[in-house]
Amino acid sequence: DVKVTQSSRYLVKRTGEKVFLECVQDMDHENMFWYRQDPGLGLRLIYFSYDVKMKEKGDIPEGYSVSREKKERFSLILESASTNQTSMYLCASSNQRGSYDQPQHFGDGTRLSIL
Amino acid sequence: SQQGEEDPQALSIQEGENATMNCSYKTSINNLQWYRQNSGRGLVHLILIRSNEREKHSGRLRVTLDTSKKSSSLLITASRAADTASYFCATDGKNNNDMRFGAGTRLTVKP
Repeated sequence: DVKVTQSSRYLVKRTGEKVFLECVQDMDHENMFWYRQDPGLGLRLIYFSYDVKMKEKGDIPEGYSVSREKKERFSLILESASTNQTSMYLCASSNQRGSYDQPQHFGDGTRLSIL
Repeated sequence: SQQGEEDPQALSIQEGENATMNCSYKTSINNLQWYRQNSGRGLVHLILIRSNEREKHSGRLRVTLDTSKKSSSLLITASRAADTASYFCATDGKNNNDMRFGAGTRLTVKP
């Protein structure tokens, strides 16, 4: 089974801090994704990557950046955390770049609180 | 931007009853997928239906797709308390590698 592991289940940070959320997948998937999930809004795509060192903006990239130095690892960075970035963050991976019919495999999420 | 929208937002039924959730979307798609999310966990893929398919089954799940109405439905038959979860539809996005999710239907199955 595919395993997507997010480094923290819960995280509390302060306004202005630089925050790193880490995600690792063990199935050699080419595509990796970061979403945030808020009540009533569902999942919103922040960034995704279909190859090492490649990244594409999703629907809400402002205030975030990403890093993919290795195929299995995709990091989400909050450059200067703000309270409106308090949310559940979900990482996902899928196979076959360019294929639109592959399921995404999700981690269990990081619940991030910015105080 | 969200592509799929689920209806209803919340659904409460008794164990043994059937649960039907609907999804509407705005633009043409290649495929539509349904996911389930237990409280505090990540999403789990349930079923994928392609745009040239009208119906698909997987165990107690039945998915239909009507591309002319831009809508899909997920039917869970003979529901169990363990089916309590949120259910999301997702459609392929602009870049083919990504998907867009709706806000989900919260299903509660009472024992």
